[in-house]
Amino acid sequence: AQKITQTQPGMFVQEKEAVTLDCTYDTSDQSYGLFWYKQPSSGEMIFLIYQGSYDEQNATEGRYSLNFQKARKSANLVISASQLGDSAMYFCAMREGLTGGGNKLTFGTGTQLKVEL
Amino acid sequence: DTAVSQTPKYLVTQMGNDKSIKCEQNLGHDTMYWYKQDSKKFLKIMFSYNNKELIINETVPNRFSPKSPDKAHLNLHINSLELGDSAVYFCASSPAGGEADTQYFGPGTRLTVL
Repeated sequence: AQKITQTQPGMFVQEKEAVTLDCTYDTSDQSYGLFWYKQPSSGEMIFLIYQGSYDEQNATEGRYSLNFQKARKSANLVISASQLGDSAMYFCAMREGLTGGGNKLTFGTGTQLKVEL
Repeated sequence: DTAVSQTPKYLVTQMGNDKSIKCEQNLGHDTMYWYKQDSKKFLKIMFSYNNKELIINETVPNRFSPKSPDKAHLNLHINSLELGDSAVYFCASSPAGGEADTQYFGPGTRLTVL
C-alpha cells in the first residue's frame, strides 16, 4: 500500500524567505505521480505542482518547486519568497494508477504553514 | 466559469436524516471522485467514477451511495446520517489517461450532523 509522510505538522517562515515542506513516500510502483495541494483557511483545495516518477527535472511552477529525490523517496515542496497569502495547510499526495481508469490520490497529514511579517 | 462546483456549501442536519450533495464539472473530464476530509484534516478517497462507471469504492458504509447521471455530474447520497459522518466532502475531477492526471477539487461541502 502506498504511504505519504509529512513530518512537520506546523512551520513558520518570515515573509520573503524560502521555506521547504517535507514529504516522503513509500510505494512499490515504478510509475507514480506526486502532487502538492494548498488548502487556505477558506477550505478549498488548490493544485500547486506535479512531479512524475520518470521526470528527470524537478518540477517548477512560479514560486513553487518540487525537490524530487527518487532514491530517498522524497518530494519536498520549496516555496520561494514567501508571502502572507501562502499561509495555509499544504498536502503532499501520491497518485496510484488504476486499470479501470482514473487515479487514486493518497494524501499525507498536511503541514500548516504560517508566514510572518 | 467555475470548474468543479458543489452544492450545498454547508449542510446541517439531524441524525437519521437522508441528504444529498451535488457535484458538477465543466472541464470535460472523464473521471470524478468523492473525498472525505475529517476533523483532523485527513483526506481519504471514497468513490471514483469513470465515464459514469464506478471504479473505486473504498470501504465506505453502504449508507453512502454515489450516482453519476452523466460524466459531468457525480452526486453523493447519504442515508441515515450519523454523527461520525460530520466532515467536509470534496468532489474532484481529472482527465482520463496520461501521467499527470491532476485532480481538480470543488470547494467542498461541510456536513454537520447534530
